[in-house]
Amino acid sequence: EVQLVESGGGLVQPGGSLRLSCAASGFTFSSFEVNWVRQAPGKGLEWISYISGSGSPLFYADSVKGRFTISRDNAKNSVDLQMNNLRAEDTAVYYCARGYRGYESDAFDIWGQGTMVTVSS
Amino acid sequence: YDLTQPPSVSVYPGQTATISCSGDRLGDKFASWYQQRPGQSPVLLIYRDDKRPSGIPERFSGSNSGNTATLTIIETQALDEADYYCQTWDTPTYVFGSGTRVTVL
Repeated sequence: EVQLVESGGGLVQPGGSLRLSCAASGFTFSSFEVNWVRQAPGKGLEWISYISGSGSPLFYADSVKGRFTISRDNAKNSVDLQMNNLRAEDTAVYYCARGYRGYESDAFDIWGQGTMVTVSS
Repeated sequence: YDLTQPPSVSVYPGQTATISCSGDRLGDKFASWYQQRPGQSPVLLIYRDDKRPSGIPERFSGSNSGNTATLTIIETQALDEADYYCQTWDTPTYVFGSGTRVTVL
């Protein structure tokens, strides 16, 4: 079964750090782009980061640029999102999502179940 | 780049629901649509304006022209009650619409 499973969410204080992971299975992981999309409580979807199948290029939304870093390990079929200097407005469910084409994907066909990040003192 | 959707749409069972998504020259880009039921992850319904992934019912269709993309749900069922998001690729970033809650009356 093709699936993505996120982990690593939790409660963190403002200014703190957290590392999320997205584990993939059921497909040739290195052939597909992966994105992170978040959803604040009661709000809509917000794309925040992209990584190609090879690991480069990388792209970020302005809201997280300079604070978040996306990376992948194709040998382990995983993508990580390192989140530093967290703010209250980063509180959200974080989803990883696969680009359906493998390159220059315009949509996301596989989504994980999400992991909740709460930034609060 | 911004995508604007109506906050809510109501429809009777068996009727047709249409959801609009507006953006500057959106028709020059690809539009996708996602369904998100309460407490669940989004599901891709439509990609490249009007393509359906395998497993998505033919009741769902999409179009995109000018400044507006449209998702149409015919023969609406109770299980179609959900939030729907449009999305486009504004290279190299991705943009989601604000979302539309579809209520089946």
